[in-house]
Formats: sequence, structure tokens, C-alpha cells
Amino acid sequence: DSGVTQTPKHLITATGQRVTLRCSPRSGDLSVYWYQQSLDQGLQFLIQYYNGEERAKGNILERFSAQQFPDLHSELNLSSLELGDSALYFCASSSGRAWEQFFGPGTRLTVL
Amino acid sequence: ELKVEQNPLFLSMQEGKNYTIYCNYSTTSDRLYWYRQDPGKSLESLFVLLSNGAVKQEGRLMASLDTKARLSTLHITAAVHDLSATYFCAVVHSGAGSYQLTFGKGTKLSVIP
Repeated sequence: DSGVTQTPKHLITATGQRVTLRCSPRSGDLSVYWYQQSLDQGLQFLIQYYNGEERAKGNILERFSAQQFPDLHSELNLSSLELGDSALYFCASSSGRAWEQFFGPGTRLTVL
Repeated sequence: ELKVEQNPLFLSMQEGKNYTIYCNYSTTSDRLYWYRQDPGKSLESLFVLLSNGAVKQEGRLMASLDTKARLSTLHITAAVHDLSATYFCAVVHSGAGSYQLTFGKGTKLSVIP
């Protein structure tokens, strides 16, 4: 158990819908990262927040957005969902010199 | 753009044998991570390599980093079935407080009794 929690574990929805994925980092970690894992694209970095501020953006679609709240939990919002958005979405958190990232259990999103 | 290449992508080996997984990356980085992923599960951190020449060992796994060659290796000694999993290397792309990871495609290891 990494100490990073994510909800829900599974999400099944239809094309065109909007969903919100939630992540709570390890106690004391200020940085939160979101990654997408799919069979064709592999593991891709989406976005990083540090203490409420966006720090880096990766291959995140305009239909996707994220935020980090004052209590440091983060939410990833996915809208106008397409079949190709079906994937495992991981949240990770880090702190300290090594900036080792600890991953949550993931949310499996299925878009039908 | 940082690229990370792992090879092999698939590895089937017998119990008791040794093998090495290679991870090459395209731009300078002084930080490399190895993760393990079991099917349908999350990523488990195995090693953090922070400097040139770093070597870390845990059980039957040993990881090393050569920043000049932009190469890391994960060596498996006397493989056992429990090591069957997918192994990812990831390189940090850092700047202005950002520490995003770029992952290799992963090496799916199957250890056969």
C-alpha cells in the first residue's frame, strides 16, 4: 500500500459524458501527478500539481482538466468522453530530494 | 523530447536463469526509476537511481545507472516465478519544479518453472 488513494476503482460510462476522478496523496506529499495507461499509448504523464499550483503539463487533452485543492487532494475531470479515453488513470504523489513517485491503485475507466 | 526505450519488451525465462533488461534514454537526466507492475495492479517502486554509477540491489534484482551512456540495467539473478511481472523504467524530466516521468514501454517478464 503506497498511501495514495484513488476513487472510484472502476468507472463505466458512455461516450459524451463527463467524469471526475479523485486522488488523495500520501500524508505530507505536496506534489500530485496524473498518468494515463492504455494498451496503445503506454504510460503517459498528464499533469502535475504542487501545493495547489499547476507545475507541468504533458499529453493532456483539452477535454481533460485537473485541480489540486487546499487539502492537497486532486481531481481529474474528463469530459466529452470518447471510446479512446478508456484506460487506467493513475495518480502519484511525491516529496523529498529523490522525488520518488508513489502510485495509487488507479481508476479503470471504460467508455462504452 | 525525451524518449525512453526498453528492451526486450517480452522476456520468457526459466527459473534459475539470469538475464538483463536494458533501458536507454535520449536526453540528460540524473534520476531514473524502476517500477514493477502486476496485471491489473498499480506500479510498485523498486529502485531510485540518483547519480552516475549508482547500483542498488534488492533480493534477486540489481539496478545500475550510467548517465554518460544514458543507460540503466535491471539484472535478474536466478529468476523465480514470483518475479513474473511487467517492469518499467522511467526517467525524470525536470525543470522549474516539475518532475514528470517518461516511461519506457515496459518489459513483460514471464518466469517458467
